[in-house]
Amino acid sequence: DTEVTQTPKHLVMGMTNKKSLKCEQHMGHRAMYWYKQKAKKPPELMFVYSYEKLSINESVPSRFSPECPNSSLLNLHLHALQPEDSALYLCASSDHVGEQFFGPGTRLTVL
Amino acid sequence: AQSVAQPEDQVNVAEGNPLTVKCTYSVSGNPYLFWYVQYPNRGLQFLLKYITGDNLVKGSYGFEAEFNKSQTSFHLKKPSALVSDSALYFCAVRDYNLDSNYQLIWGAGTKLIIKP
Repeated sequence: DTEVTQTPKHLVMGMTNKKSLKCEQHMGHRAMYWYKQKAKKPPELMFVYSYEKLSINESVPSRFSPECPNSSLLNLHLHALQPEDSALYLCASSDHVGEQFFGPGTRLTVL
Repeated sequence: AQSVAQPEDQVNVAEGNPLTVKCTYSVSGNPYLFWYVQYPNRGLQFLLKYITGDNLVKGSYGFEAEFNKSQTSFHLKKPSALVSDSALYFCAVRDYNLDSNYQLIWGAGTKLIIKP
C-alpha cells in the first residue's frame, strides 16, 4: 500500500472554530510531514515528525498544533485561524532517505 | 546555502514533440534529487529520483531525467509529450550529507502546457 490518505478533502471554518486535519499511512514510514501550499507555489514545510517525535517546527504559529498519536497517524489541530491560512494542506511520509509520498490534501477555507 | 532553480515559469510544447523541464541545484554535499508532478487541485505525485548510480533515471508515465554533476542539473525529459502531461512540475533536492531531518528544498515550479 503506497497511499497516504487525508481527511477531510475540503474544510470551511470560521476564525473562532476548532477543527482537525487527519493523515494516515501504512507504508511503515517513520517520518511524516505537514506542508502548506498556496496556489501555483511549492509546498512550505510546517512540521516534521521522526519516530513519532516532533523534529522540525518551521516557526509555525501556535494556532496550528500537530499531533502524532502513532507511527501511522498524523493530525493537525486548527484553532483561531486567519483568512490568510486558507490553503491546501498536504501530508506526506517517507523513509529516511527516499522520496516523500503525498496525500491528496485538504483544501482549507477560513472565513 | 542549498537551493533549487527552475528557470522557466512555463513551458509550452506541441503534442508529440519532446519536452524538457529544467532544474539546477546547489548543495554542499551529494544531492538526492526528485521530480514531482501536481495536477490541478491534487496532491503531489512522485515521478522519479536520483540518489546514486546511473545518471539517466527513468520514472513514471514515460518521464526520465538526466543527472549532470558538472552542470549541477537534473532536467526532466519525455520523448513524446501528451496533452495529459499538462501540469505543474516541481524539482526538489535533499542534501545527503546534511543533518536536515529529511527536509526537501523545492524549486518554484514549472507549468507545462501541452497543446494538441
